[in-house]
Amino acid sequence: DIQMTQSPSSLSASVGDRVTITCRADQFVRTFLNWYQHKSGSAPKLIIYAASTLQSGVPSRFSGSGSGTDFALTITNLQPEDFATYYCQQSSRSPHTFGQGTRLEI
Amino acid sequence: QVQLEQSGAEVKKPGASVKVSCKASGYSFSSFDINWVRQATGQRPEWVGWLNPNNGNTGYAQKFQGRVSMTRDTSTSTAYMELNSLRSEDTAIYYCVRHSDFWTGSYNHDAFDVWGQGTLVTVSS
Repeated sequence: DIQMTQSPSSLSASVGDRVTITCRADQFVRTFLNWYQHKSGSAPKLIIYAASTLQSGVPSRFSGSGSGTDFALTITNLQPEDFATYYCQQSSRSPHTFGQGTRLEI
Repeated sequence: QVQLEQSGAEVKKPGASVKVSCKASGYSFSSFDINWVRQATGQRPEWVGWLNPNNGNTGYAQKFQGRVSMTRDTSTSTAYMELNSLRSEDTAIYYCVRHSDFWTGSYNHDAFDVWGQGTLVTVSS
């Protein structure tokens, strides 16, 4: 299985900040990389697919980049509703494995 | 609107079975695969398997082979996941998710674009 590693595991930030979360695959996944946002008590939400394409309805302060094995999720001008746990997921090869998550907190 | 509605929390004893349901609404049930993902507390999400609602075909993660079964009822747009021989390590929230394909001009990328609210399955003696 492809192993996904995110960093950092947790991140403290403030409203208005710019933050970046990274995700590394241990095998080449091209741009088959998705990002999900998970708020406690709610279902996870797809925010970016194909490494950099924003899912419909997701604010433009979210952006994704990278290809191959190294990827990043950047959030600019952090809003209170952005504080959540973020997961990357590779969709290059089955099983579509997830990273361990990055908890973004105030 | 498009949504997946799951059945309620379950408490089971080791060795028992659990069957979780997932009712789809707001879209054509047969047009999208349903996958199941579970997440134990403090762990990363883990893919369990997929179901094609159109023809009933399934595929399971190797670690669940022989212990999991995914079925559907097209008349009610409902998917089911049954997990047998439960053990404490199966305690987790189980999510049904809709699998979608996104064409980016170069490749067909797939992702889980709709998630159910999750069903907590607790295995305890």
